[in-house]
Amino acid sequence: AQSVAQPEDQVNVAEGNPLTVKCTYSVSGNPYLFWYVQYPNRGLQFLLKYITGDNLVKGSYGFEAEFNKSQTSFHLKKPSALVSDSALYFCAVRPSANQAGTALIFGKGTTLSVSS
Amino acid sequence: NAGVTQTPKFQVLKTGQSMTLQCAQDMNHEYMSWYRQDPGMGLRLIHYSVGAGITDQGEVPNGYNVSRSTTEDFPLRLLSAAPSQTSVYFCASSFGREAYEQYFGPGTRLTVT
Repeated sequence: AQSVAQPEDQVNVAEGNPLTVKCTYSVSGNPYLFWYVQYPNRGLQFLLKYITGDNLVKGSYGFEAEFNKSQTSFHLKKPSALVSDSALYFCAVRPSANQAGTALIFGKGTTLSVSS
Repeated sequence: NAGVTQTPKFQVLKTGQSMTLQCAQDMNHEYMSWYRQDPGMGLRLIHYSVGAGITDQGEVPNGYNVSRSTTEDFPLRLLSAAPSQTSVYFCASSFGREAYEQYFGPGTRLTVT
């Protein structure tokens, strides 16, 4: 079965420290990978995506993610965390199927807490 | 552009009642979808549509109906509400007929008593 795993329910970091939010996937073919962020009582916001090309992709708010095909991972990273980064983060994957309508599969989310 | 809008923001229903959650987008997106978000379970796809007149089931379609008569609107109907449908519902859309970079609405928090 195709799936996405976010192994940590919560990640705690101090402001100014680097952060990593982990994501691994199991899908057929070459997947499209996404990260979204959700602030309290809001909808999800797109952060970044990997489709093809350079394994390191950069997105909004200074976030970046590294695609590792051999480890089937797509970890979200930021060199220096801010308190305002505290939110719920979702990894999502879409198998690169040719037919229209192929849906995104979301992980269960990781709560990032950045302390001052 | 208003983006993706959802109404209502909050709703309380009694078991057995029916209602429609509204979703509209003004970006001319072909792909639209409905998710429910439950604690510890992430987002689960209920139904999706790749264009007007075309809908399909997602992971958890039971108890919900959808229709897509226009590109802009994608309402979600609860036929006979059950407590298990207490959740936060999100509508999302994306360009083209793919579940690509999706734009999400603000959500509807539904409680069924």
